[in-house]
Amino acid sequence: AQKITQTQPGMFVQEKEAVTLDCTYDTSDPSYGLFWYKQPSSGEMIFLIYQGSYDQQNATEGRYSLNFQKARKSANLVISASQLGDSAMYFCAMRERESGGSNYKLTFGKGTLLTVNP
Amino acid sequence: SQTIHQWPATLVQPVGSPLSLECTVEGTSNPNLYWYRQAAGRGLQLLFYSVGIGQISSEVPQNLSASRPQDRQFILSSKKLLLSDSGFYLCAWRSKLNTEAFFGQGTRLTVV
Repeated sequence: AQKITQTQPGMFVQEKEAVTLDCTYDTSDPSYGLFWYKQPSSGEMIFLIYQGSYDQQNATEGRYSLNFQKARKSANLVISASQLGDSAMYFCAMRERESGGSNYKLTFGKGTLLTVNP
Repeated sequence: SQTIHQWPATLVQPVGSPLSLECTVEGTSNPNLYWYRQAAGRGLQLLFYSVGIGQISSEVPQNLSASRPQDRQFILSSKKLLLSDSGFYLCAWRSKLNTEAFFGQGTRLTVV
């Protein structure tokens, strides 16, 4: 079963508008973490934002915010005031404890390709 | 500060040839280390992760293997490459203090 699901293979947004990228997850580990990464065409992975499972408030980092709905197991990324440079692939990822163990692993979704139109 | 080095950046190898991709981390100790593969236009697939020297967990049965001979060195290998091994390989490290993962620049492997 998919641990991280990103249902939007591609998204389009007009420059200066806000966009929401969806992410749902599945885990039985109560102490998990959720991440969003950006991958431009150059291939590098850029960390954007982190949300811990026990964090009471939604994480925010500049124009990025994470809409964390724990009961629904969703962690959507909201990008406000989109810029042309935001065009990239976006990955949702989850850190969870290995089943039956004490180690953590990091699993990624399939990604959403965001295109910002001028 | 911590840095991660991954090489080579690009590699073209014939089918059946061996593979060795190396990743080293500086400025931290006892990190968790990861190898991911990204096929063209697709998401990241976790291949291996390691929580310590000699400790390797494999996520997907495949033609590849990983080793961690030193604390900050993670190697991805194959004895005989297949065409399906082509892709973009990313090494990453993460502190055990639950921070984000940091990625190397990646290796674009083409098997011909």
